[in-house]
Amino acid sequence: AQTVTQSQPEMSVQEAETVTLSCTYDTSESDYYLFWYKQPPSRQMILVIRQEAYKQQNATENRFSVNFQKAAKSFSLKISDSQLGDAAMYFCAYRTHSGTYKYIFGTGTRLKVLA
Amino acid sequence: GAVVSQHPSWVICKSGTSVKIECRSLDFQATTMFWYRQFPKQSLMLMATSNEGSKATYEQGVEKDKFLINHASLTLSTLTVTSAHPEDSSFYICSATGPSGKYFGPGTRLTVT
Repeated sequence: AQTVTQSQPEMSVQEAETVTLSCTYDTSESDYYLFWYKQPPSRQMILVIRQEAYKQQNATENRFSVNFQKAAKSFSLKISDSQLGDAAMYFCAYRTHSGTYKYIFGTGTRLKVLA
Repeated sequence: GAVVSQHPSWVICKSGTSVKIECRSLDFQATTMFWYRQFPKQSLMLMATSNEGSKATYEQGVEKDKFLINHASLTLSTLTVTSAHPEDSSFYICSATGPSGKYFGPGTRLTVT
């Protein structure tokens, strides 16, 4: 069975600085998807970025980028130029390439942005 | 973009009663919807996969007789918590597979007194 691990329960970053959130996963599959979701206090889940395992190039969305290390089964999220609005819970998620579209979520990292 | 709504957003019910939560895909058809449960400061735990026109698939440890799921149409799935107990108090989130991936509803906070 697949597992997703986020080892940082909480992180803090100064406004305008850069922070990296860690995520590791375990799977025996070769093709899959990985995601980072943001959950602000409203509790609405917001997709931040997604990575397809067969693509070697790291995904980037504006200030958000990932460091995808397939062999190490690592998928970290880098947030550059942190803003107060980035404060939220961040969840790493895994999804198989085909099938039921079931997502497996990590335990989350609470990001605090300090003014 | 694709939108998923949930109703109600917050419900309080007495212990022993049943409560129904609706999940709707507003501008797309969803043959598959998912129900998650999230305890405070914890992750989302998948409860069941709801398939239109067929029985839901429950995750291990989830009581199917307690959490009744009905996916009666391509835009509506319902979760009924039967004989609710205080330990069922939680945040319930649905999601639907849409045209460009997975879309989450805003969640329903259930408080059982």
